[in-house]
Amino acid sequence: GDSVTQMEGPVTLSEEAFLTINCTYTATGYPSLFWYVQYPGEGLQLLLKATKADDKGSNKGFEATYRKETTSFHLEKGSVQVSDSAVYFCALVVTNNNDMRFGAGTRLTVKP
Amino acid sequence: NAGVTQTPKFRVLKTGQSMTLLCAQDMNHEYMYWYRQDPGMGLRLIHYSVGEGTTAKGEVPDGYNVSRLKKQNFLLGLESAAPSQTSVYFCASSYRTGRLGTEAFFGQGTRLTVV
Repeated sequence: GDSVTQMEGPVTLSEEAFLTINCTYTATGYPSLFWYVQYPGEGLQLLLKATKADDKGSNKGFEATYRKETTSFHLEKGSVQVSDSAVYFCALVVTNNNDMRFGAGTRLTVKP
Repeated sequence: NAGVTQTPKFRVLKTGQSMTLLCAQDMNHEYMYWYRQDPGMGLRLIHYSVGEGTTAKGEVPDGYNVSRLKKQNFLLGLESAAPSQTSVYFCASSYRTGRLGTEAFFGQGTRLTVV
């Protein structure tokens, strides 16, 4: 079935460090791909998305490129801040399907 | 601008007790979902609804029932709670899914402990 695999955490970085969180997917159709972020005590909120191959989603300095050849959607940020500390979830929705599948989540802690 | 509201936010149940979690959205969304979040497992879909009066099973439906009598509300019921149902429950809604990457909006979660 459709699924998402993302790198296990936790990830701890110093402020201004470069961030990569890996995400790969398995899907029988043509998925849309998402990154959601969950701040402490809150629900998930959309960070960025891409709906077709080679699309790049970006928001708040974060980027991810939909790579069909490697079935990947890795999240990157050039310079993280303490306020980026959160749990990040990769997710997919397959076209004409009715549910989203999430990865296990990666906890990021950024230290000053 | 409430978005998705879940009640209650916290609850402790004894094994065998029943309860209903309420989700309400004010965005006129067709699709609504219930997920559970467990450590190391991400979010898993319990049940979902594609419109008023319709429901469908997700990945982990056993032990739960749902109802969507009104478009804005989606109820999740536990008829006989078990310790394995200790989790954080999230409700979400969206205009559609699987079409042009439609975004889902999440509630703040309900932390349920079954003792």
